[in-house]
Amino acid sequence: GAGVSQSPRYKVAKRGQDVALRCDPISGHVSLFWYQQALGQGPEFLTYFQNEAQLDKSGLPSDRFFAERPEGSVSTLKIQRTQQEDSAVYLCASRFNRQGHEQYFGPGTRLTVT
Amino acid sequence: AQSVTQLGSHVSVSEGALVLLRCNYSSSVPPYLFWYVQYPNQGLQLLLKYTTGATLVKGINGFEAEFKKSETSFHLTKPSAHMSDAAEYFCAVTTMDTGRRALTFGSGTRLQVQP
Repeated sequence: GAGVSQSPRYKVAKRGQDVALRCDPISGHVSLFWYQQALGQGPEFLTYFQNEAQLDKSGLPSDRFFAERPEGSVSTLKIQRTQQEDSAVYLCASRFNRQGHEQYFGPGTRLTVT
Repeated sequence: AQSVTQLGSHVSVSEGALVLLRCNYSSSVPPYLFWYVQYPNQGLQLLLKYTTGATLVKGINGFEAEFKKSETSFHLTKPSAHMSDAAEYFCAVTTMDTGRRALTFGSGTRLQVQP
């Protein structure tokens, strides 16, 4: 079956622009995570959804970052007024249910802010 | 809170040699441990995981890891390296007590395989 997909794969934004990154999880997966991976680093947790409910957004670095999953499937991560420090790969992962252990990752969106 | 330390940001081995990538974790409660591999411009692929039960776990592509509670370690090994093993490897931890069970990752180890 299809895995987790993300779009766009690459995004170049000028400083101050708003961007929207999309994640399509595996069909039927209840849990969805967003991670940020800076160059040369491991991924870091941003936010977590259980169906349409955003249960944890403790990792979002500032109020410029906003995520939603209105129908409990597709999710969008939005970054307002992008800054150079926002340049990173943004990874989305989904998990079958709350009790599961394994997260399945998408290929990521590489965001470059110039 | 939990954390992961991966010793060695770069490891180079010869083709056919033993691969050993080190991972130590910190957790106040029993951990779930994972190794992921990342090829260039791709997402993370799960190699193997430890949740409960047998402490020696086998994964894909001939990799295995052993959970050692007394050493708080979860080192990844492969008896014989192949050129296709060249990639970035991440160790990650989560625990039962975090409802969200997001993963905490180490900073990664880049494996180079020399012909």
